Amino acid sequence: SQTIHQWPATLVQPVGSPLSLECTVEGTSNPNLYWYRQAAGRGLQLLFYSVGIGQISSEVPQNLSASRPQDRQFILSSKKLLLSDSGFYLCAWILGSTHNEQYFGPGTRLTVT
Amino acid sequence: KNQVEQSPQSLIILEGKNCTLQCNYTVSPFSNLRWYKQDTGRGPVSLTIMTFSENTKSNGRYTATLDADTKQSSLHITASQLSDSASYICVVRAMKTSYDKVIFGPGTSLSVIP
Repeated sequence: SQTIHQWPATLVQPVGSPLSLECTVEGTSNPNLYWYRQAAGRGLQLLFYSVGIGQISSEVPQNLSASRPQDRQFILSSKKLLLSDSGFYLCAWILGSTHNEQYFGPGTRLTVT
Repeated sequence: KNQVEQSPQSLIILEGKNCTLQCNYTVSPFSNLRWYKQDTGRGPVSLTIMTFSENTKSNGRYTATLDADTKQSSLHITASQLSDSASYICVVRAMKTSYDKVIFGPGTSLSVIP
């Protein structure tokens, strides 16, 4: 069966510090991978998606970046965090058909202080 | 502009009662619509998927409807339980030539109280 992992589960970082969130998927190959951010009381905002190794598409201009060094690994990074980067970050994957379900990871709660 | 709207924003109901959540969308061209349940601090989990030709689909106490003409969907929860307390998110998938895309609604926060 397929599983998706995210770490860390929670993170408190000061403004201006770097960020690295990791997402890995098990039990599948060549998934489409997604990073979302969910601000408190708001809907999910798509940040990045990837259809393959090294292929990253950005939906929203910001100080975040993403990388996909391996087929089942998706990393979200920042060189200098802003207060507005606080939120709940979710990684998700989908395989194949557009009717397939998008599976979400457990999320990372990031608080920038 | 592709958008998904949900109502109400939040809802409080007594345990055992029924409720209906609404979703309106302007996504085009339409591919499918999913309802997700998101428990606090967790990732969303799919409840149902509706394609263009489907009007009603049930998953236990959850029943989703879709009117593709008016671009509306509803999620009906029967005999609510305390564990139904969560955010319910309507997600519409559009088809594009270069990539497919999902549009998330803002969610309805449901609280079931004893």
